[in-house]
Amino acid sequence: SQTIHQWPATLVQPVGSPLSLECTVEGTSNPNLYWYRQAAGRGLQLLFYSVGIGQISSEVPQNLSASRPQDRQFILSSKKLLLSDSGFYLCAWTRESSGNTIYFGEGSWLTVV
Amino acid sequence: DAKTTQPNSMESNEEEPVHLPCNHSTISGTDYIHWYRQLPSQGPEYVIHGLTSNVNNRMASLAIAEDRKSSTLILHRATLRDAAVYYCIPGPMRRSQGNLIFGKGTKLSVKP
Repeated sequence: SQTIHQWPATLVQPVGSPLSLECTVEGTSNPNLYWYRQAAGRGLQLLFYSVGIGQISSEVPQNLSASRPQDRQFILSSKKLLLSDSGFYLCAWTRESSGNTIYFGEGSWLTVV
Repeated sequence: DAKTTQPNSMESNEEEPVHLPCNHSTISGTDYIHWYRQLPSQGPEYVIHGLTSNVNNRMASLAIAEDRKSSTLILHRATLRDAAVYYCIPGPMRRSQGNLIFGKGTKLSVKP
């Protein structure tokens, strides 16, 4: 069966520090991968999606970046965090065999102080 | 991308049926209609999806209008654990078509 993992689960980072959130999917190949962010009390905002290794599409211009160094690995990064980067970050993947149903990871709580 | 319209919030009593509506008048002919729900402090979870015909699974039923411009998620007997934000998302059938965008959803409250 397919599983998705992301880490760390929680982190507190000072303003201006770097960020790296990692996500891996197991049990499937060539998935679409996504990073979403949810600010407190707000809806889900699509940040990046990837249809293949090295292919990244950005939905929102900002100080975040994403990379896909391997087929089932998706990384969200920042060189310098802002207070507004605080939120709940979710990695997700889709599989075509089920009509592109999307499956989410456990999420990472980021607090920038 | 197809835009959706959902009520901001709805209330239900426990053990009663709930009908959650969604309008997606700009849906394309090849888009599936997906429903997800998000419990507090968790990532969204898949509920159900369909293309043209009504669908049933162990969690819910999905009624799709004949013109596919609207759909209704039906929870047959609401429980306290069904309190969540429910998202309706028209989405591409093919992975290569990329992104799935969530709207604001409907916050469902269930009263005991």
